[in-house]
Amino acid sequence: DAEITQSPRHKITETGRQVTLACHQTWNHNNMFWYRQDLGHGLRLIHYSYGVQDTNKGEVSDGYSVSRSNTEDLPLTLESAASSQTSVYFCASSGTGLETQYFGPGTRLLVL
Amino acid sequence: GENVEQHPSTLSVQEGDSAVIKCTYSDSASNYFPWYKQELGKGPQLIIDIRSNVGEKKDQRIAVTLNKTAKHFSLHITETQPEDSAVYFCAAPQAPSNTGKLIFGQGTTLQVKP
Repeated sequence: DAEITQSPRHKITETGRQVTLACHQTWNHNNMFWYRQDLGHGLRLIHYSYGVQDTNKGEVSDGYSVSRSNTEDLPLTLESAASSQTSVYFCASSGTGLETQYFGPGTRLLVL
Repeated sequence: GENVEQHPSTLSVQEGDSAVIKCTYSDSASNYFPWYKQELGKGPQLIIDIRSNVGEKKDQRIAVTLNKTAKHFSLHITETQPEDSAVYFCAAPQAPSNTGKLIFGQGTTLQVKP
C-alpha cells in the first residue's frame, strides 16, 4: 500500500545545530508539504513543492529550507536550530490540483 | 486575508450523543472542504470531505454540511463512541483555490465520555 513516512519520529538537538527531517511518500504525488503543529496555532505551512526542483515558502518559512531532487522525498532542514523551533512537524502529500492531503505520522523535535 | 475559524475549541459529550463542529471560511471561491481526525501521537487523517457542488455528504455516523451563502461548513458525528475522542481539524483551500494548499482551523478536542 502507498504510504508517507517520516524519520526520525523523535529528535533532541541543541541550539545552533543543523537538523534534517526526512519525508518519503510512495503515492507518486507531485505535491508535498511541510507543516508545524503548536498548541494554539493548529497546522502552519512551512514549505511546499509542486514537483521535482520546485520549492516554495509557506507562512512560517524563516529558518527552514527544503529541496526536491525526486518525486518521493522532501527533506526539511533547520539551518541553525532555535528553541522556538521546538514543535511537532508533519509532512503531507497530494496529487496535482485540489486533492486530498495525506499526512505522515509526524516528527517531534525538541531544541535545547 | 484568508481565514478559517473553527468552533468550539473543546467539546465534551456523553457516549451516544451527537457532536457538531462548525467552521467558517472567508474566501467565497473556496470549493473543497476536508475534515481531519488526529489521534494522540499520530498524524491527521482525512475522515470526510465535501465539494461545493453538494450541500451534504454522509458516511455512516459522520456527515458534513456546507452552506456556501453563509460560508460555513459543519461536521456532525452521531451516536458518538469513546474511539471518536480526538482532535478534529477543518480546512479550506488557500486562494487561489487550485494551488493545492489548505488553511486549517485551530482544531476541536472532542472528548466522548463512556
